[in-house]
Amino acid sequence: GAGVSQSPSNKVTEKGKDVELRCDPISGHTALYWYRQRLGQGLEFLIYFQGNSAPDKSGLPSDRFSAERTGESVSTLTIQRTQQEDSAVYLCASSLGTGARSNQPQHFGDGTRLSIL
Amino acid sequence: DAKTTQPTSMDCAEGRAANLPCNHSTISGNEYVYWYRQIHSQGPQYIIHGLKNNETNEMASLIITEDRKSSTLILPHATLRDTAVYYCIVRLYNAGNNRKLIWGLGTSLAVNP
Repeated sequence: GAGVSQSPSNKVTEKGKDVELRCDPISGHTALYWYRQRLGQGLEFLIYFQGNSAPDKSGLPSDRFSAERTGESVSTLTIQRTQQEDSAVYLCASSLGTGARSNQPQHFGDGTRLSIL
Repeated sequence: DAKTTQPTSMDCAEGRAANLPCNHSTISGNEYVYWYRQIHSQGPQYIIHGLKNNETNEMASLIITEDRKSSTLILPHATLRDTAVYYCIVRLYNAGNNRKLIWGLGTSLAVNP
């Protein structure tokens, strides 16, 4: 497809388990973002990747959260030892990168709805 | 960081123009205003963005005041499918060229038949 793809769309897991969320950005988009959205709230920035530069991890809430991206392709967000407070929708976005294209909008997937029991 | 203020909710009659205001009084000269919307259970959808000139595309028009302290998103002929939460965002960037978006709670627009 042409849009940002995220999987799984829903994930239910027990407290203490690890989860891995996947994002396939739009082809050619060098910038990739992860956000978290709790029920009834706006989006909360987690991490940003731009090409081969070091990622901006300033939004990660704890060391239980980590993310990887290989080149300009797929990214995975991993949450270790999940807690009930981690329950939220995790959204991924991609955009064309910096420089002359730095004003390009972010395009979002439909997110992964994570529920921690 | 430049913050935005939007009304919590608005109503609009189907077929009429929906005018959604946003206040961003602390915006700096090189920060853009972006509008996104989020329909229930979907990811946010980009609508439009601008710096200081008014902008129009197939979805909406963006009117930015001359002092850039506020803007209005206009949906010229609202339909039931335009019912969504609308977010007005000022794009933040730092020395690392991070284009992360800072999100508020948005305006919940209800388009009524």
